[in-house]
Amino acid sequence: EVQLVESGGNLVQPGRSLRLSCAASGFTFDDYDMHWVRQAPGKGLEWVSGITWNSGSLGYADSVKGRFTISRDNARNSLYLQMNSLRAEDTALYYCAKGLNADYWGQGTLVTVSS
Amino acid sequence: EIVLTQSPATLSLSPGERATLSCRASQTIANYLAWYQQKPGQAPRLLIYDASNRATGIPARFSGSGSGTDFTLTISSLEPEDFAVYYCQLRSNWPPSLTFGGGTKVEIK
Repeated sequence: EVQLVESGGNLVQPGRSLRLSCAASGFTFDDYDMHWVRQAPGKGLEWVSGITWNSGSLGYADSVKGRFTISRDNARNSLYLQMNSLRAEDTALYYCAKGLNADYWGQGTLVTVSS
Repeated sequence: EIVLTQSPATLSLSPGERATLSCRASQTIANYLAWYQQKPGQAPRLLIYDASNRATGIPARFSGSGSGTDFTLTISSLEPEDFAVYYCQLRSNWPPSLTFGGGTKVEIK
């Protein structure tokens, strides 16, 4: 059974940093691209970042480019999102999703940016 | 940048009725179009990928069609559990990225 478990979300002040993690199991992690997608309270889905299976290509939404960094550790079956210079508008539930088609999603981890 | 526009924003229907949801791209796209269902408090669930392929375990009442700029998700006969928000999504492979539409809420009339 595919499982994706996000962690690391928290209440943080504007300008601070946070690192999210996504632990994957139930599939061959290094066979798949991975994504981070977020959803602000009461809003729609917004893609944040994506990474190929071998970290050879990384993609970022314009809203986070230069502030967020996606990475993965295939030996640990884990995906990460380093978030720097956080803003109030980054407040959201952050999901990790598996594969080109984002066919499986975790339950998300909540990031709240507020003073 | 390709924009996906979903319509209508809200669809009010009764169980047993047919639902037709639209997703229009701002320019011609390959058939890398997917549809998701999201219920309150839950993660999105993939329904359709590559415009017309049902994901694993998705009932046959869900179907996807379209090409070019216009895509459709059809639910042939609404079940009570189908009332939810639906999103379309376009994927790009290199670099990997996803673009989402704004969503259509299917509510009980």
